[in-house]
Amino acid sequence: KAGVTQTPRYLIKTRGQQVTLSCSPISGHRSVSWYQQTPGQGLQFLFEYFSETQRNKGNFPGRFSGRQFSNSRSEMNVSTLELGDSALYLCASSLDSDEQFFGPGTRLTVL
Amino acid sequence: AQKITQTQPGMFVQEKEAVTLDCTYDTSDPSYGLFWYKQPSSGEMIFLIYQGSYDQQNATEGRYSLNFQKARKSANLVISASQLGDSAMYFCAMREGPSGGYNKLIFGAGTRLAVHP
Repeated sequence: KAGVTQTPRYLIKTRGQQVTLSCSPISGHRSVSWYQQTPGQGLQFLFEYFSETQRNKGNFPGRFSGRQFSNSRSEMNVSTLELGDSALYLCASSLDSDEQFFGPGTRLTVL
Repeated sequence: AQKITQTQPGMFVQEKEAVTLDCTYDTSDPSYGLFWYKQPSSGEMIFLIYQGSYDQQNATEGRYSLNFQKARKSANLVISASQLGDSAMYFCAMREGPSGGYNKLIFGAGTRLAVHP
């Protein structure tokens, strides 16, 4: 069974631009969660999607948004990028809540 | 408020020895789940072990076991027979609410483990 895949793996953007990250969950998993990891703030929850609906959201500004498609693939969008958005963005998929499997992450650098 | 505390920023252990990584948590929800993840330098988070708040037995997965002490609100990870490949960052995380509910994880700051030959 294929694991969680994230594309792209690396991304370099400049301030003010926007970016879209993609996550394909493990087949059959309907829950996809997104996390931001930075050296200063650690791992922080962004949001979770389940069956195309956002059912939980962390404390991030509205510049961070996401969506989930009918095949459970999810995208995360960050608009008007800031230097502080440089981070490793991880997505996790889950069948239930007992095990959450993470993808390899997308490392975003904002210049 | 829910919180995860990992008090050991760094630990080292000799190869083949056992090591315990500490984790304490705080929650007022009677139903919760506790997770341990390993993050090598590549960045990927690798799921190691899960313990539900109502589980009677301590969870075990191969060389990993979770020492769950509910009254003390601790969920320490024990790695037996350490291997060089165990060198990585280890995160303790908690999910509030019952299994099958929301999947929001709160993470601790992590412990960097170095295994020496």
